[in-house]
Amino acid sequence: DAKTTQPPSMDCAEGRAANLPCNHSTISGNEYVYWYRQIHSQGPQYIIHGLKNNETNEMASLIITEDRKSSTLILPHATLRDTAVYYCIVRGVGDSGGSNYKLTFGKGTLLTVNP
Amino acid sequence: DTEVTQTPKHLVMGMTNKKSLKCEQHMGHRAMYWYKQKAKKPPELMFVYSYEKLSINESVPSRFSPECPNSSLLNLHLHALQPEDSALYLCASSQDPATSGANVLTFGAGSRLTVL
Repeated sequence: DAKTTQPPSMDCAEGRAANLPCNHSTISGNEYVYWYRQIHSQGPQYIIHGLKNNETNEMASLIITEDRKSSTLILPHATLRDTAVYYCIVRGVGDSGGSNYKLTFGKGTLLTVNP
Repeated sequence: DTEVTQTPKHLVMGMTNKKSLKCEQHMGHRAMYWYKQKAKKPPELMFVYSYEKLSINESVPSRFSPECPNSSLLNLHLHALQPEDSALYLCASSQDPATSGANVLTFGAGSRLTVL
């Protein structure tokens, strides 16, 4: 799986958009970009994923560059409850097999939303 | 039901004890996972069961013994643990990525284990 690079920490003001970057320069054609987050002392939570096109759901938007070497997770109106560690993960899905299930978390970005 | 339920939430055990962590989901997911998370570190994959068979064992010591009695339940049996095994143990479930096309895991809140 492609390696990802994220800043260790970021700050954002409440009500403003939070833009979390992720570099994945070695991503291959069949690998998806996933974002999960983990609020303190809770289990990780799936946010969004995408392959080539930009994606949006009720939680966030995912912008993937045309060359797919980087992406940005956007929380449009950050709240204090969005303070969490955000993980960017690159993973392909192949034929059935054990390796398909291996989702590996990196160090992530600690996003702190300030009042 | 869109939740993964883990019990107990907290467990304190001695190094000679035998205990079990339990995980349950009713979303029809056929893959279930155990992750271990030490303080200020990312979750680390331990085991994966797919269709009730062990698919991945990330070289986990034998003092951790997983069990998948049916498609809704996942246990982690603990025996002769060490203090360094103290951590948050996370259970997750998902559809088969090969059929769903994505690795979307639903995690439980975790069981916090302290080994004395």
